[in-house]
Amino acid sequence: ETGVTQSPTHLIKTRGQQVTLRCSSQSGHNTVSWYQQALGQGPQFIFQYYREEENGRGNFPPRFSGLQFPNYSSELNVNALELDDSALYLCASSQRTGGTEAFFGQGTRLTVV
Amino acid sequence: DQQVKQNSPSLSVQEGRISILNCDYTNSMFDYFLWYKKYPAEGPTFLISISSIKDKNEDGRFTVFLNKSAKHLSLHIVPSQPGDSAVYFCAARGTSYDKVIFGPGTSLSVIP
Repeated sequence: ETGVTQSPTHLIKTRGQQVTLRCSSQSGHNTVSWYQQALGQGPQFIFQYYREEENGRGNFPPRFSGLQFPNYSSELNVNALELDDSALYLCASSQRTGGTEAFFGQGTRLTVV
Repeated sequence: DQQVKQNSPSLSVQEGRISILNCDYTNSMFDYFLWYKKYPAEGPTFLISISSIKDKNEDGRFTVFLNKSAKHLSLHIVPSQPGDSAVYFCAARGTSYDKVIFGPGTSLSVIP
């Protein structure tokens, strides 16, 4: 049982707008990773947060940014939305020092029109 | 440049038979490999993993085999059940607790 929740589940935005996606980590997990999954592809790593600091980033532009809060929940912010940003955004939480595998939320489906 | 490859987009297997899903990787720095299963409208669910120091890991009906020299791993499901029908992602990461690289996935259909 994952315990990772994401909100909202679906979202429609207009090109050029900004969006904030939220993730609540599983209890006891101190690391959050965000992924973008385009249709027909595997999840692509955006970035990871550990103890409120960014700890690794994939090949995404700076308009993708994030935050991790003291309770280990997290936000993904995307500015100046583009049509290609339409995708499923997945949050995964894990316990860094415990070596546990990451547990994923159900994702947020973002559509940019 | 895809570091984790799953060359079969789809696979169909009869119920009760063995399902074999294959995965190849290019980065020799990867030392931990994972398989995730994904149903529609759900996030990926962790299935099984293997460290690079092993060549086999088994968990119930699921076995993962790793051939480091060939940079190849495979997931065996025996016996296959209709509930196994899902998209299976192969994934890999390096020595640090950093990003996990996913393959494009293989859609498995188990036919009753």
